[in-house]
Amino acid sequence: DGGITQSPKYLFRKEGQNVTLSCEQNLNHDAMYWYRQDPGQGLRLIYYSQIVNDFQKGDIAEGYSVSREKKESFPLTVTSAQKNPTAFYLCASSNSDIQANEKLFFGSGTQLSVL
Amino acid sequence: AQKVTQAQTEISVVEKEDVTLDCVYETRDTTYYLFWYKQPPSGELVFLIRRNSFDEQNEISGRYSWNFQKSTSSFNFTITASQVVDSAVYFCALSEAQRGSTLGRLYFGRGTQLTVWP
Repeated sequence: DGGITQSPKYLFRKEGQNVTLSCEQNLNHDAMYWYRQDPGQGLRLIYYSQIVNDFQKGDIAEGYSVSREKKESFPLTVTSAQKNPTAFYLCASSNSDIQANEKLFFGSGTQLSVL
Repeated sequence: AQKVTQAQTEISVVEKEDVTLDCVYETRDTTYYLFWYKQPPSGELVFLIRRNSFDEQNEISGRYSWNFQKSTSSFNFTITASQVVDSAVYFCALSEAQRGSTLGRLYFGRGTQLTVWP
Protein backbone atom coordinates (compact mmCIF):
# COMPACT_ATOMS: atom_id res chain seq x y z
CA ASP A 1 0.00 0.00 0.00
CA GLY A 2 1.24 3.48 -0.86
CA GLY A 3 1.60 6.01 1.88
CA ILE A 4 3.78 8.04 4.20
CA THR A 5 5.70 6.48 7.05
CA GLN A 6 6.89 8.55 9.96
CA SER A 7 9.16 7.22 12.67
CA PRO A 8 9.43 7.04 15.53
CA LYS A 9 5.90 7.55 16.84
CA TYR A 10 7.25 8.95 20.13
CA LEU A 11 10.58 10.66 20.65
CA PHE A 12 12.23 12.23 23.67
CA ARG A 13 14.88 14.88 23.53
CA LYS A 14 17.32 15.90 26.20
CA GLU A 15 18.47 19.47 26.65
CA GLY A 16 21.03 20.48 24.03
CA GLN A 17 20.44 17.42 21.92
CA ASN A 18 19.65 17.27 18.21
CA VAL A 19 17.06 14.72 17.15
CA THR A 20 15.97 13.60 13.69
CA LEU A 21 12.46 12.64 12.66
CA SER A 22 12.11 10.31 9.72
CA CYS A 23 9.62 10.66 6.88
CA GLU A 24 9.44 8.26 3.92
CA GLN A 25 6.87 8.17 1.13
CA ASN A 26 6.30 5.65 -1.65
CA LEU A 27 3.70 7.69 -3.50
CA ASN A 28 6.22 9.04 -6.03
CA HIS A 29 5.29 12.56 -4.99
CA ASP A 30 7.65 15.40 -5.82
CA ALA A 31 6.68 17.66 -2.94
CA MET A 32 7.08 16.98 0.76
CA TYR A 33 6.31 19.06 3.84
CA TRP A 34 6.81 19.22 7.58
CA TYR A 35 4.13 20.69 9.82
CA ARG A 36 4.17 21.29 13.54
CA GLN A 37 0.98 20.92 15.57
CA ASP A 38 0.57 22.44 19.01
CA PRO A 39 -2.60 21.99 21.07
CA GLY A 40 -5.20 24.52 20.01
CA GLN A 41 -2.85 26.06 17.45
CA GLY A 42 -3.58 24.20 14.27
CA LEU A 43 -0.74 23.17 11.96
CA ARG A 44 2.14 25.41 11.02
CA LEU A 45 4.55 24.86 8.15
CA ILE A 46 8.20 24.30 9.09
CA TYR A 47 9.87 23.40 5.79
CA TYR A 48 8.82 22.15 2.40
CA SER A 49 10.54 20.70 -0.62
CA GLN A 50 9.17 20.71 -4.15
CA ILE A 51 11.98 18.69 -5.69
CA VAL A 52 15.04 16.69 -4.72
CA ASN A 53 17.98 18.76 -3.43
CA ASP A 54 15.80 21.81 -2.93
CA PHE A 55 13.79 22.99 0.06
CA GLN A 56 12.24 26.20 1.37
CA LYS A 57 11.60 27.61 4.81
CA GLY A 58 8.05 27.75 5.99
CA ASP A 59 6.58 29.95 8.67
CA ILE A 60 8.49 28.57 11.67
CA ALA A 61 11.80 27.21 10.34
CA GLU A 62 14.04 28.55 13.12
CA GLY A 63 15.64 25.75 15.11
CA TYR A 64 14.94 23.14 12.45
CA SER A 65 16.85 21.75 9.48
CA VAL A 66 15.96 19.38 6.65
CA SER A 67 17.53 17.57 3.73
CA ARG A 68 16.10 16.13 0.53
CA GLU A 69 18.70 13.84 -0.97
CA LYS A 70 16.17 11.31 -2.22
CA LYS A 71 12.69 11.79 -3.63
CA GLU A 72 11.11 9.48 -1.11
CA SER A 73 12.78 10.84 2.02
CA PHE A 74 12.53 14.18 3.86
CA PRO A 75 14.04 13.95 7.36
CA LEU A 76 13.58 16.77 9.85
CA THR A 77 16.22 17.59 12.47
CA VAL A 78 15.14 19.45 15.56
CA THR A 79 18.26 21.23 16.73
CA SER A 80 19.22 22.44 20.19
CA ALA A 81 18.40 25.95 18.96
CA GLN A 82 14.70 25.05 19.03
CA LYS A 83 13.86 26.05 22.59
CA ASN A 84 10.32 24.75 22.63
CA PRO A 85 10.35 21.54 20.60
CA THR A 86 7.55 19.69 22.36
CA ALA A 87 4.87 19.22 19.73
CA PHE A 88 3.28 16.79 17.31
CA TYR A 89 5.09 16.73 13.97
CA LEU A 90 3.36 15.76 10.77
CA CYS A 91 4.97 14.99 7.44
CA ALA A 92 3.02 15.28 4.21
CA SER A 93 3.49 14.88 0.50
CA SER A 94 1.70 15.87 -2.69
CA ASN A 95 1.95 15.89 -6.41
CA SER A 96 3.41 19.32 -7.14
CA ASP A 97 1.14 19.86 -10.10
CA ILE A 98 -1.33 22.41 -8.80
CA GLN A 99 -3.63 21.87 -11.74
CA ALA A 100 -4.13 18.24 -10.85
CA ASN A 101 -6.88 17.44 -8.44
CA GLU A 102 -4.38 16.46 -5.82
CA LYS A 103 -4.41 16.69 -2.07
CA LEU A 104 -1.92 16.42 0.73
CA PHE A 105 -1.28 12.98 2.12
CA PHE A 106 -0.21 12.94 5.75
CA GLY A 107 1.78 10.53 7.84
CA SER A 108 0.62 9.43 11.28
CA GLY A 109 2.92 11.86 13.07
CA THR A 110 5.70 11.90 15.66
CA GLN A 111 5.15 13.20 19.18
CA LEU A 112 8.33 14.88 20.39
CA SER A 113 8.76 15.62 24.07
CA VAL A 114 11.58 17.20 26.06
CA LEU A 115 12.99 15.32 29.04
CA ALA B 1 -3.55 37.76 11.21
CA GLN B 2 -5.13 34.37 10.86
CA LYS B 3 -5.83 33.46 7.25
CA VAL B 4 -8.24 30.76 8.37
CA THR B 5 -10.49 31.17 11.38
CA GLN B 6 -12.39 28.36 13.01
CA ALA B 7 -14.19 30.12 15.82
CA GLN B 8 -15.60 26.96 17.38
CA THR B 9 -12.93 25.35 19.53
CA GLU B 10 -15.08 22.49 20.76
CA ILE B 11 -18.51 21.19 19.87
CA SER B 12 -20.43 18.40 21.58
CA VAL B 13 -23.52 16.79 20.14
CA VAL B 14 -25.54 13.68 20.73
CA GLU B 15 -25.62 10.99 18.08
CA LYS B 16 -28.00 11.64 15.17
CA GLU B 17 -27.89 15.39 15.63
CA ASP B 18 -26.75 17.55 12.74
CA VAL B 19 -23.71 19.72 13.34
CA THR B 20 -22.10 22.54 11.34
CA LEU B 21 -18.45 23.47 11.63
CA ASP B 22 -17.67 27.04 10.63
CA CYS B 23 -14.68 28.23 8.61
CA VAL B 24 -13.90 31.78 7.57
CA TYR B 25 -10.89 32.54 5.42
CA GLU B 26 -8.99 35.61 4.30
CA THR B 27 -7.05 36.03 1.05
CA ARG B 28 -6.40 38.63 -1.62
CA ASP B 29 -5.82 36.02 -4.30
CA THR B 30 -8.47 35.32 -6.87
CA THR B 31 -7.32 31.73 -7.29
CA TYR B 32 -7.16 29.67 -4.15
CA TYR B 33 -8.12 26.31 -2.74
CA LEU B 34 -9.98 25.39 0.40
CA PHE B 35 -9.76 22.11 2.24
CA TRP B 36 -11.26 20.22 5.11
CA TYR B 37 -9.28 17.56 6.95
CA LYS B 38 -10.30 15.21 9.73
CA GLN B 39 -7.87 14.22 12.47
CA PRO B 40 -9.04 11.19 14.48
CA PRO B 41 -7.31 10.25 17.74
CA SER B 42 -4.72 8.26 15.78
CA GLY B 43 -3.24 11.58 14.65
CA GLU B 44 -3.13 11.19 10.88
CA LEU B 45 -4.97 13.86 8.94
CA VAL B 46 -7.57 12.49 6.55
CA PHE B 47 -8.53 14.50 3.49
CA LEU B 48 -12.24 15.25 3.16
CA ILE B 49 -12.62 17.82 0.40
CA ARG B 50 -10.77 20.27 -1.83
CA ARG B 51 -12.59 23.16 -3.45
CA ASN B 52 -11.19 25.79 -5.80
CA SER B 53 -12.22 29.42 -5.67
CA PHE B 54 -14.08 29.30 -8.97
CA ASP B 55 -16.45 26.55 -7.94
CA GLU B 56 -19.09 27.78 -5.53
CA GLN B 57 -21.38 24.83 -5.93
CA ASN B 58 -22.23 23.19 -2.68
CA GLU B 59 -21.18 19.59 -2.38
CA ILE B 60 -22.70 16.61 -0.66
CA SER B 61 -20.97 13.34 0.05
CA GLY B 62 -23.06 10.96 2.04
CA ARG B 63 -23.68 12.54 5.45
CA TYR B 64 -21.19 15.32 4.73
CA SER B 65 -21.97 18.56 2.97
CA TRP B 66 -20.08 21.76 2.36
CA ASN B 67 -21.34 25.29 1.83
CA PHE B 68 -18.89 27.60 0.05
CA GLN B 69 -19.85 31.29 -0.03
CA LYS B 70 -17.31 33.71 -1.48
CA SER B 71 -19.46 36.68 -0.49
CA THR B 72 -18.85 35.91 3.17
CA SER B 73 -15.48 34.13 2.72
CA SER B 74 -16.86 31.06 4.39
CA PHE B 75 -16.55 27.35 3.75
CA ASN B 76 -18.73 25.60 6.30
CA PHE B 77 -18.97 21.86 6.85
CA THR B 78 -22.11 20.08 7.96
CA ILE B 79 -22.40 16.53 9.23
CA THR B 80 -25.93 15.17 9.09
CA ALA B 81 -27.08 12.53 11.54
CA SER B 82 -23.76 12.52 13.37
CA GLN B 83 -22.21 9.28 14.62
CA VAL B 84 -19.72 8.51 17.38
CA VAL B 85 -17.10 7.74 14.71
CA ASP B 86 -17.30 11.35 13.59
CA SER B 87 -15.59 12.40 16.81
CA ALA B 88 -12.32 14.04 15.78
CA VAL B 89 -10.61 17.36 15.27
CA TYR B 90 -11.60 18.98 12.00
CA PHE B 91 -9.33 21.43 10.23
CA CYS B 92 -10.16 23.93 7.54
CA ALA B 93 -7.23 25.05 5.38
CA LEU B 94 -6.40 27.51 2.60
CA SER B 95 -3.87 27.32 -0.23
CA GLU B 96 -3.06 30.49 -2.15
CA ALA B 97 -2.02 28.75 -5.32
CA GLN B 98 -1.92 31.83 -7.48
CA ARG B 99 1.23 33.04 -5.75
CA GLY B 100 3.10 30.22 -7.42
CA SER B 101 3.49 28.31 -4.22
CA THR B 102 3.05 24.64 -4.21
CA LEU B 103 -0.28 23.14 -3.34
CA GLY B 104 0.88 21.87 0.00
CA ARG B 105 1.69 25.25 1.42
CA LEU B 106 -1.51 25.27 3.41
CA TYR B 107 -2.67 27.69 6.06
CA PHE B 108 -4.64 25.82 8.68
CA GLY B 109 -7.25 26.99 11.09
CA ARG B 110 -6.86 26.02 14.74
CA GLY B 111 -9.29 23.18 14.38
CA THR B 112 -12.62 22.28 15.94
CA GLN B 113 -12.82 19.34 18.33
CA LEU B 114 -16.09 17.54 17.64
CA THR B 115 -17.35 15.05 20.21
CA VAL B 116 -20.36 12.93 19.38
CA TRP B 117 -21.93 11.22 22.38
CA PRO B 118 -23.90 7.98 22.05
